[in-house]
Amino acid sequence: QVQLQQSGTELVKPASSVKISCKASGYSFTSNYMHWIRQQTGNGLEWIGWIYPGNGNTKYNEKFDGKATLTADKSSSTGYMQLSSLTSEDSAVYFCARSPNGYVMDDWGQGVSVTVSS
Amino acid sequence: DVQMTQSPSYLAASPGESVSISCKASKSINTYLAWYQEKPGITNKLLIYSGSTLPSGTPSRFSGSGSGTDFTLTIRSLEPEDFAVYYCQQHNEYPLTFGSGTKLEIK
Repeated sequence: QVQLQQSGTELVKPASSVKISCKASGYSFTSNYMHWIRQQTGNGLEWIGWIYPGNGNTKYNEKFDGKATLTADKSSSTGYMQLSSLTSEDSAVYFCARSPNGYVMDDWGQGVSVTVSS
Repeated sequence: DVQMTQSPSYLAASPGESVSISCKASKSINTYLAWYQEKPGITNKLLIYSGSTLPSGTPSRFSGSGSGTDFTLTIRSLEPEDFAVYYCQQHNEYPLTFGSGTKLEIK
């Protein structure tokens, strides 16, 4: 079955960067899109962007341009999202999700909590 | 960006009842609307896409309808496991956008 196993909780300092991971199994990693989604406490879901591991193509929500960088390692079937220049506004739960078509998220990871605090 | 407005934000119902959740888009999204279910301790689940298509694994008591700007998720004969938060998401254009969620609670 499809599984998306995300890395653990992060507590990071303002102005720093963090890289979180999403290890995929149970499907063809290179033939599906991997989305990343943000959920701030008390808020809804925001789409950050996707990466297509087969060719490394990415598409971002303009709101996250310069904030998020998506990469993928085909050898380990793992997607990564790096968040830079962190502020308290970046404190949130971040999800990865699998999509066969780049639009609908068929399967989700369990989410990673990122807290930005000094 | 397409704004998605869900209502109500909270809904209380009893097992066995039927409920409907509304999702309105700020402009036409054709039929490209998905619904997701969020429950504590379980990964989010895709319930419906393209307005009314149920992926395998979605119980038939869930149904979706609508086109253009107005959409509805209906759950017939609520089961205990249906009490959760529901989100709509337009998949017509980028950036993909979500509604703010509807929390369905047990009355």
